[in-house]
Amino acid sequence: TQLLEQSPQFLSIQEGENLTVYCNSSSVFSSLQWYRQEPGEGPVLLVTVVTGGEVKKLKRLTFQFGDARKDSSLHITAAQPGDTGLYLCAGVRSNYQLIWGAGTKLIIKP
Amino acid sequence: DSGVTQTPKHLITATGQRVTLRCSPRSGDLSVYWYQQSLDQGLQFLIQYYNGEERAKGNILERFSAQQFPDLHSELNLSSLELGDSALYFCASSPTGVGEQYFGPGTRLTVT
Repeated sequence: TQLLEQSPQFLSIQEGENLTVYCNSSSVFSSLQWYRQEPGEGPVLLVTVVTGGEVKKLKRLTFQFGDARKDSSLHITAAQPGDTGLYLCAGVRSNYQLIWGAGTKLIIKP
Repeated sequence: DSGVTQTPKHLITATGQRVTLRCSPRSGDLSVYWYQQSLDQGLQFLIQYYNGEERAKGNILERFSAQQFPDLHSELNLSSLELGDSALYFCASSPTGVGEQYFGPGTRLTVT
């Protein structure tokens, strides 16, 4: 059973376009992390969101945690080829267990 | 560079063999996690250690085992290898066993 669903699974867009990827669950998380993984490398932490409704910005990336702390979104403005990668979300449960989504594979074409 | 090191970077071996993957966590981190990632797949959590003790177990096969040593480095042992075990194996560490994880560069295992 996949407790954390990421959508879309795959997204290929042109440079300069905007996009949003989603991370959804029926479970409540105490916090949620977003990672980006480039081919052949380990995931790198982008951000942690903790409070329901929280919005965090990292340059052109905007992360939002749902009010009920069950879902999150990542919005990228004016995507660039350097944004290409696998985006993974991971929810932290109350028992500190980390639940991983399957990832969204993003390709930005120049 | 996350500060987590993994060796070897690449490993090619035959079915039925046994291999050991090694991980050194970031300085000061007490917890180590092991993950398996098959081609174009997400991360599959295998096992977590905290200060030498097993803390959490994921989808780890009985043919696989791990341990964390007093100096906090960890080893993942894979035995009776099958073709389907070919994957990237990542180690991650965290200071306290909760919160953000810092990943190593991975070991690419190819079973032929």
